[in-house]
Amino acid sequence: GQNIDQPTEMTATEGAIVQINCTYQTSGFNGLFWYQQHAGEAPTFLSYNVLDGLEEKGRFSSFLSRSKGYSYLLLKELQMKDSASYLCAVRDMAGGFKTIFGAGTRLFVKA
Amino acid sequence: ETGVTQSPTHLIKTRGQQVTLRCSSQSGHNTVSWYQQALGQGPQFIFQYYREEENGRGNFPPRFSGLQFPNYSSELNVNALELDDSALYLCASSWDRGGNTEAFFGQGTRLTVV
Repeated sequence: GQNIDQPTEMTATEGAIVQINCTYQTSGFNGLFWYQQHAGEAPTFLSYNVLDGLEEKGRFSSFLSRSKGYSYLLLKELQMKDSASYLCAVRDMAGGFKTIFGAGTRLFVKA
Repeated sequence: ETGVTQSPTHLIKTRGQQVTLRCSSQSGHNTVSWYQQALGQGPQFIFQYYREEENGRGNFPPRFSGLQFPNYSSELNVNALELDDSALYLCASSWDRGGNTEAFFGQGTRLTVV
């Protein structure tokens, strides 16, 4: 089956760096996504990794290790508006196409 | 704004009833996925349609069914509603059924079953 684990909550200070980890188990891995979701809003795409390594996009970076079933999202120069839930999602091709989401990590950015 | 629209935004139904939720995909997208999101949880994958055919399904019972139309709009139908079906239902459209294609989410339909 599929399983995705990420911390429930994290707190960080404005201007700091925070790393949100995600571990996964899946049989037909075909890529890992990170989404941001503000309360009461739809998820919005942040990043995609399918090969091992680091993908950087502005203040956000995402890392993937397929052999370890591990990813992280790195947020730099935190801003108050970064307070949101961050969802790790894995695309699985075993037995059909599925995108499986973790429960999300609620990030609180304090002044 | 993503261009993915869902209707209605809110809905109240009685246990045992049937409901149809609608999604209009972003222009040019041929794949749509539906998710159920309970409060404080991540979206749970219901199913995915690619060019009008279901090509992936999560752990939801058969009373959850869907359609995708030639214009790539889609519907989620839920029969015999249960109280636990109360949730936010999200649709997401994308360009293809695999690969590094980001999905664009609609704002969701908040379904309450009483």
